[in-house]
Amino acid sequence: GQNIDQPTEMTATEGAIVQINCTYQTSGFNGLFWYQQHAGEAPTFLSYNVLDGLEEKGRFSSFLSRSKGYSYLLLKELQMKDSASYLCAVKSNTGKLIFGQGTTLQVKP
Amino acid sequence: NAGVMQNPRHLVRRRGQEARLRCSPMKGHSHVYWYRQLPEEGLKFMVYLQKENIIDESGMPKERFSAEFPKEGPSILRIQQVVRGDSAAYFCASSLGGGNEKLFFGSGTQLSVL
Repeated sequence: GQNIDQPTEMTATEGAIVQINCTYQTSGFNGLFWYQQHAGEAPTFLSYNVLDGLEEKGRFSSFLSRSKGYSYLLLKELQMKDSASYLCAVKSNTGKLIFGQGTTLQVKP
Repeated sequence: NAGVMQNPRHLVRRRGQEARLRCSPMKGHSHVYWYRQLPEEGLKFMVYLQKENIIDESGMPKERFSAEFPKEGPSILRIQQVVRGDSAAYFCASSLGGGNEKLFFGSGTQLSVL
């Protein structure tokens, strides 16, 4: 079966650091993706992990542990524009991307 | 270099009518994916297509829904005899290949069934 879990909502303060966790149980694994989606807009690609470890890209970093079925997205120096939904997704062996429910992040001044 | 183009942006249909949603992938991309999203929910996979082939349709409802990606022209998601429960945002995405390639998403079609 396919199961991807992430918190529904999170709140953080401007300038702070926030970590969004994602756990997954999928039949087949071909990488883990994080996407950002602002309300009413298309999801946009943030990061991709296929090997264990941390991938850093500017203010955003993503971590993967395949043995634990676990990933997190780390956002540093939060800005108001970071208020959005963050979607964790696993690429299956057939090539499709399976998404979690998404985490709505609200950044407060 | 145009991104993934979806049209129409908004589509209103009455119950029982047909809805046709179009998706033109990014230039050079031959893999297309359709997703459905309800308010406050995640993206639900519907179907994955390559040119003239359906690779995975495990997320497609058994009735009324069909998808195609012809050799020439856009991919089409077709919903026959729409019902109110079909109201949702339908997103199309494309990728260069089917392996670890990232997906690029279109802006979506918001379908409203009256």
